[in-house]
Amino acid sequence: DTEVTQTPKHLVMGMTNKKSLKCEQHMGHRAMYWYKQKAKKPPELMFVYSYEKLSINESVPSRFSPECPNSSLLNLHLHALQPEDSALYLCASSPGQGATNEKLFFGSGTQLSVL
Amino acid sequence: RKEVEQDPGPFNVPEGATVAFNCTYSNSASQSFFWYRQDCRKEPKLLMSVYSSGNEDGRFTAQLNRASQYISLLIRDSKLSDSATYLCVVNGGAGSYQLTFGKGTKLSVIP
Repeated sequence: DTEVTQTPKHLVMGMTNKKSLKCEQHMGHRAMYWYKQKAKKPPELMFVYSYEKLSINESVPSRFSPECPNSSLLNLHLHALQPEDSALYLCASSPGQGATNEKLFFGSGTQLSVL
Repeated sequence: RKEVEQDPGPFNVPEGATVAFNCTYSNSASQSFFWYRQDCRKEPKLLMSVYSSGNEDGRFTAQLNRASQYISLLIRDSKLSDSATYLCVVNGGAGSYQLTFGKGTKLSVIP
């Protein structure tokens, strides 16, 4: 019942593959996020887009490449990943108004396994 | 000092018990505070925002102490369905999009 939709739900890829994760929201939010979560760890911020511009890159390796085609869509392109990149990748959105109480709404995530 | 610290847990409590979680944060510029819950292999879901005046939502009460940089969550009359990991979340300052998550406290409510 989340209003942030992520596809695919599960992905298995080899280290030489290229794949993309997709995220979509129709709440009119102007900020979108990618988080990475390993088992038994909290989510870690990767990227933030605000009004379709990349505003935060938390020193993420270049094998992860984000893209924001429009205000409703957010992609994460994957290339030459390593097995340690296996994790749950969470997309989130927030109103993006810079308000004090900016709440995040998460998608259900893509469980990624790199072989 | 870690940015957001929580009780390590796990907390195993019987149904009907009252349980309290604590969280401290190190960034004095933080303006937004939240509790999220996360079920196993699911996404985090917002439980409630936390305000200086304290706020209550049914069986859940959240408190913020800015002077001590401390946040709490109280759950009364625990239900089996409350079993989850509770994440304390703090932002990086006014207008900041950087939300930092605590490691979470796992709660198991047992019959």
